Amino acid sequence: GAVVSQHPSRVICKSGTSVKIECRSLDFQATTMFWYRQFPKQSLMLMATSNEGSKATYEQGVEKDKFLINHASLTLSTLTVTSAHPEDSSFYICSASQGAIVNQPQHFGDGTRLSIL
Amino acid sequence: RKEVEQDPGPFNVPEGATVAFNCTYSNSASQSFFWYRQDCRKEPKLLMSVYSSGNEDGRFTAQLNRASQYISLLIRDSKLSDSATYLCVVSYGGYQKVTFGTGTKLQVIP
Repeated sequence: GAVVSQHPSRVICKSGTSVKIECRSLDFQATTMFWYRQFPKQSLMLMATSNEGSKATYEQGVEKDKFLINHASLTLSTLTVTSAHPEDSSFYICSASQGAIVNQPQHFGDGTRLSIL
Repeated sequence: RKEVEQDPGPFNVPEGATVAFNCTYSNSASQSFFWYRQDCRKEPKLLMSVYSSGNEDGRFTAQLNRASQYISLLIRDSKLSDSATYLCVVSYGGYQKVTFGTGTKLQVIP
């Protein structure tokens, strides 16, 4: 079945550091990928929709200059948390679907647990 | 009103019990529906798609009620390993959007 790989799985770094998270579709092409954030004991929150070859679409309240998204190929999207601060500590997850978004289920990466000290 | 709503629970049920969750959605144009399972500190994993005719996979049964705009998940003979948060997901064709419910937490007790 479809597999989505996310890397790294865990990041611990100092405040002010920029952190890049990669999301890869391993056995299919994904023109659209989604980035989510989940705080402890809360639900998944969609941050942005990553579109191959064009600008990402950000949800209301998500700063596009803070969370840079690049979707340069059909199998790779990256999320860069710029100048991360402790309040950015969270579980970040990407997802992609094989085929039409509206008909196919989302497959998730393993997630990246980000801790900013 | 939220686009997708779920009772957060927790639902505490004994092993072997039958438990059901509902999920309501607000957009009547919604096209696709799914149930996901999320274990603590893990990514969501697809449990099953929900079809108009209803579908069953082992102890799990999913149904869609378009008239009342809700989907349901029934778990029979609950196992300890069923303890997790169950998320419903709705896709909106016109907006190419995927919306998650907040999840329903299930705790199966020995």
